Amino acid sequence: DTAVSQTPKYLVTQMGNDKSIKCEQNLGHDTMYWYKQDSKKFLKIMFSYNNKELIINETVPNRFSPKSPDKAHLNLHINSLELGDSAVYFCASVHNEQFFGPGTRLTVL
Amino acid sequence: AQSVSQHNHHVILSEAASLELGCNYSYGGTVNLFWYVQYPGQHLQLLLKYFSGDPLVKGIKGFEAEFIKSKFSFNLRKPSVQWSDTAEYFCAVNPGGSYIPTFGRGTSLIVHP
Repeated sequence: DTAVSQTPKYLVTQMGNDKSIKCEQNLGHDTMYWYKQDSKKFLKIMFSYNNKELIINETVPNRFSPKSPDKAHLNLHINSLELGDSAVYFCASVHNEQFFGPGTRLTVL
Repeated sequence: AQSVSQHNHHVILSEAASLELGCNYSYGGTVNLFWYVQYPGQHLQLLLKYFSGDPLVKGIKGFEAEFIKSKFSFNLRKPSVQWSDTAEYFCAVNPGGSYIPTFGRGTSLIVHP
C-alpha cells in the first residue's frame, strides 16, 4: 500500500508543451512539498503546501504551478516546457519527517 | 539565509571500512536534523532524525549520527560499510517550527566489494 505515489514515472515531451505530474498521499498529512532534483543530485524545494497555505520558492519560474484539489493531492503543472526543466521531480508528504514519492523523470526534447 | 554544508561530495570506500560524513548548518536557533539516503534509481528515505534529547541518534541499517550543538554539526557514521550502502546521502535541517527544510548538496558514497 504505497504511502506517496506519483504519476507518471517517466515523462518525455517536446519543448513548449504543457504537462502535469500527479502526487497523492494516503498518510493523512497536511503538508506536501514538490522538489526538483537536477543531474548533479541537488535537491531544490519548489513549493510547500500546508493546510491550503502555499509557500512558493521565489526562484521557481511562474510556468510551474501547484494545484491541490484536496488534502491528499498536490499536482504539479508546468507550462511551456524548456530544456532546463529536465530533471527528476519528487513530491513529499510531511509530518515531522518527509515521506518521498518515487519520483517522475521528466525529459524535455 | 540558512545553509547546510556537506563537506564530502564523493566518498569511495572498501567494504568493512568505517564511514563518517560531515554535515554543518548555519542556523543558530532550535533545529530538527535529518539524514536521508537515496539508493540508485530510487527515492529518498529517512535514515535517522534528531528533534531533541540524546544527541547520539541511532538509525536504520546500523547508521548513527551525533548532534554537536556547539559545532552546528550532525555527522553521520557507520562503523563498517557494506556494498549495499552505495547511495547518495543527504543532510537536511528544519529550523524549529518551520515547514521548509534545507538540504545539503548530498554525498555520493561508493562502496567497493
